[in-house]
Amino acid sequence: AQRVTQPEKLLSVFKGAPVELKCNYSYSGSPELFWYVQYSRQRLQLLLRHISRESIKGFTADLNKGETSFHLKKPFAQEEDSAMYYCALSPPIKAAGNKLTFGGGTRVLVKP
Amino acid sequence: GAVVSQHPSRVICKSGTSVKIECRSLDFQATTMFWYRQFPKQSLMLMATSNEGSKATYEQGVEKDKFLINHASLTLSTLTVTSAHPEDSSFYICSARNSGSNYEQYFGPGTRLTVT
Repeated sequence: AQRVTQPEKLLSVFKGAPVELKCNYSYSGSPELFWYVQYSRQRLQLLLRHISRESIKGFTADLNKGETSFHLKKPFAQEEDSAMYYCALSPPIKAAGNKLTFGGGTRVLVKP
Repeated sequence: GAVVSQHPSRVICKSGTSVKIECRSLDFQATTMFWYRQFPKQSLMLMATSNEGSKATYEQGVEKDKFLINHASLTLSTLTVTSAHPEDSSFYICSARNSGSNYEQYFGPGTRLTVT
C-alpha cells in the first residue's frame, strides 16, 4: 500500500531562517512525488514535482530513493511562505489512475 | 488557465435529504476528475475517481450508493450525497486532471457541507 508521512504538524520559524519540511513515503516502485501548498483561504495548488527538478518560490525538494524521502527545503523563509504544505505521491504518470495520496500536512508559520 | 470551479461553495441541508455538488473544469477538458474529503485539521482523503462516460471508481470504504458520482461531460462531474447524515458534514474538494498538461491535477476551491 502506498503511504505518505509528514512527521511535523507545525513548523514555526523566523523570517530569514531556513525551513525544511520532512516527507517520507512507502511505495513499491517508482512513484511521482509532489509538494502542494494551500495558502490561507485559497485552494490547494501544486508547488513542485520531483520530475521537474525545479526551484519554485525558492523551494527545492530532493528525492532520496534510498531513504524514501522527499523533503522540502528553503534556505531563507519569508512571511508569505506561511501556509499548509502537503506532500503527495502518485503512481507513475503513465500508469492507470494517477491517484494522489496525501500526507497529513505541515503547517508552516514564518514569524517576523 | 486551468481553473476548476465548484458549486456551491457552502451548503447546509437537513438530515435525510440529498445534496449535489458540481465540479467544472473551466478552460480545459478533463476525462478524469477526483473527489476528496477533508475533515477539520486533517489531510485530503481520496473518495473516488470520476471517469467521463463510465462508472466512477471508489476507494475502499466509500459507499458508492451513498456518494453518487456522474461525469457526463468532459468538463463536469457531480457528487451527490444521498440521505445525508450529520457525519457526512465535511469539506469536499474536487480536482481535474489535465491530460494535455503532463497530467497535472488542478483543484477546486472546495464545498463545505453541513448536515443538521
